[in-house]
Amino acid sequence: DAKTTQPPSMDCAEGRAANLPCNHSTISGNEYVYWYRQIHSQGPQYIIHGLKNNETNEMASLIITEDRKSSTLILPHATLRDTAVYYCIVKRGGYNKLIFGAGTRLAVHP
Amino acid sequence: EPEVTQTPSHQVTQMGQEVILRCVPISNHLYFYWYRQILGQKVEFLVSFYNNEISEKSEIFDDQFSVERPDGSNFTLKIRSTKLEDSAMYFCASSWTSQETQYFGPGTRLLVL
Repeated sequence: DAKTTQPPSMDCAEGRAANLPCNHSTISGNEYVYWYRQIHSQGPQYIIHGLKNNETNEMASLIITEDRKSSTLILPHATLRDTAVYYCIVKRGGYNKLIFGAGTRLAVHP
Repeated sequence: EPEVTQTPSHQVTQMGQEVILRCVPISNHLYFYWYRQILGQKVEFLVSFYNNEISEKSEIFDDQFSVERPDGSNFTLKIRSTKLEDSAMYFCASSWTSQETQYFGPGTRLLVL
């Protein structure tokens, strides 16, 4: 599975958009980009995933560059409850495991 | 919304004792997983299970560990003789297929004394 690189920490003001970047320059054509988050020591929570098109759901938007070497997770209106560690994971379709890195610790402040 | 559940939420045990961690995956899911997270460290894959067989395991998943689906709803992780270093959060996850999204349970915090 391709390795991902994320900034270790980010800050965001409540109500503003949080844009979390992820580099995955060695991604292969059949690998998906997944985003999860972990609040405190709770179980990782699925946010969104994509292959090459941009995706949006009720939680977030995922923007994948045309060359697929990087992506950005966008939380459009961050709240204090969005404070968490966000993981960008590249996963090959048909393979089982998710490989978690250190993620980005997002702090949303009033 | 269906969710993965895990019991117990906390477990304290003595070194050398056996523990069984329980999970109820989402009902129509076919693939089941265990991950663990030692305090302050990354979430690590342990094992995946499909069709009553282990489909993949990590080097952490040694002979002290075993998994089982004893009935149509439960999925268990057994640690035969616990060590201090087994203290961690253990997360169960499930997915419909190996290509679909994995959904995680809330975890069991295991403390080995």
